[in-house]
Amino acid sequence: EDQVTQSPEALRLQEGESSSLNCSYTVSGLRGLFWYRQDPGKGPEFLFTLYSAGEEKEKERLKATLTKKESFLHITAPKPEDSATYLCAVRSNFGNEKLTFGTGTRLTIIP
Amino acid sequence: DGGITQSPKYLFRKEGQNVTLSCEQNLNHDAMYWYRQDPGQGLRLIYYSQIVNDFQKGDIAEGYSVSREKKESFPLTVTSAQKNPTAFYLCASSIDLNYEQYFGPGTRLTVT
Repeated sequence: EDQVTQSPEALRLQEGESSSLNCSYTVSGLRGLFWYRQDPGKGPEFLFTLYSAGEEKEKERLKATLTKKESFLHITAPKPEDSATYLCAVRSNFGNEKLTFGTGTRLTIIP
Repeated sequence: DGGITQSPKYLFRKEGQNVTLSCEQNLNHDAMYWYRQDPGQGLRLIYYSQIVNDFQKGDIAEGYSVSREKKESFPLTVTSAQKNPTAFYLCASSIDLNYEQYFGPGTRLTVT
């Protein structure tokens, strides 16, 4: 069974203080790792898809990286508007087409 | 503007009543999905549809039903058989099953 574990559960940073969020996964053949941002009471917003180890993608202050066992979401010089819950999900090569989601990291950026 | 709409945003029902949640997309996506989100848990897949008139059960389909009569629409019915229906329900769509999913704003259902 596919598994996704995100850490930490919650992270508080000062504005401008860079850090990383972790997503560890176990799948029977990775067919995509997805990062989403979710604001309270809203639907997740798609950020990135990564397909193979060594791949990196960037968007503004966010950079996602992928290894064979985990993915990191690096946030550089964050601003208060980056506060949200960040979700990681995986799709495997076997079974149905579902995404398996982690429980998220709740990020708070303090001005 | 292309996107996914869900209505209503908040829904209140009495126990024993069936309720239907609406999901419409104008992204011309073939695949659509329904998820349930509970505090402290990851999103869990209820049903998904690859194409019109076809849908498959996800991990937690018991007590739910869906239909896919039009490409744009994928309504979810929460039946009285669902033992714990109070949750945040999210609809999503993608070009097809191989691509990233885009989510709607969600419907918060409260059953008392």
